[in-house]
Amino acid sequence: AQSVTQLDSQVPVFEEAPVELRCNYSSSVSVYLFWYVQYPNQGLQLLLKYLSGSTLVKGINGFEAEFNKSQTSFHLRKPSVHISDTAEYFCAVALWASGTYKYIFGTGTRLKVLA
Amino acid sequence: DVKVTQSSRYLVKRTGEKVFLECVQDMDHENMFWYRQDPGLGLRLIYFSYDVKMKEKGDIPEGYSVSREKKERFSLILESASTNQTSMYLCASSFLPGINEQFFGPGTRLTVL
Repeated sequence: AQSVTQLDSQVPVFEEAPVELRCNYSSSVSVYLFWYVQYPNQGLQLLLKYLSGSTLVKGINGFEAEFNKSQTSFHLRKPSVHISDTAEYFCAVALWASGTYKYIFGTGTRLKVLA
Repeated sequence: DVKVTQSSRYLVKRTGEKVFLECVQDMDHENMFWYRQDPGLGLRLIYFSYDVKMKEKGDIPEGYSVSREKKERFSLILESASTNQTSMYLCASSFLPGINEQFFGPGTRLTVL
């Protein structure tokens, strides 16, 4: 069965430190991969996406993610976080199943940036 | 900029009431989605629509129905609200399915008493 796993429900990190938010997926078919961010009391907005081509994808606000097909992972990274990066981050996949595209979201990782 | 708006940010209803949640997008997207978001469970798809008057059940359709009479508007209906439907409801839209990201509204926090 297809699934998306975000093992870390919460990640505390000090300001200006690097951070990695992990995402693993399970699928027998090709997928498209996305990272979304949700700031408090807001909807989700796209950070970056991987469709094909280079496995390193750069997104907004200095975030990047690397697609690793052999490990079925799509981890999100930022070399130096700011207080304003405090938010919840969701990994998602889109895959073709039963005649339509199916979207699966992970359970989210709360990033807390500490001063 | 794509804009997805939802009719209410906060809503309080009583058990057994019929509840309508409205969503409007202004970018002529074919696809629209309704999710509920609960702590520790992430986003779960309730229903989606890929065209006017077309709808497909998502992962948790029980207790919900939807209506899409116009391309820009997608309504979620709770026929008889129950306390276990207390949640954050998020509407989203997208252009082509799969490769295109979804654009989300700000959400409606529904409390059923």
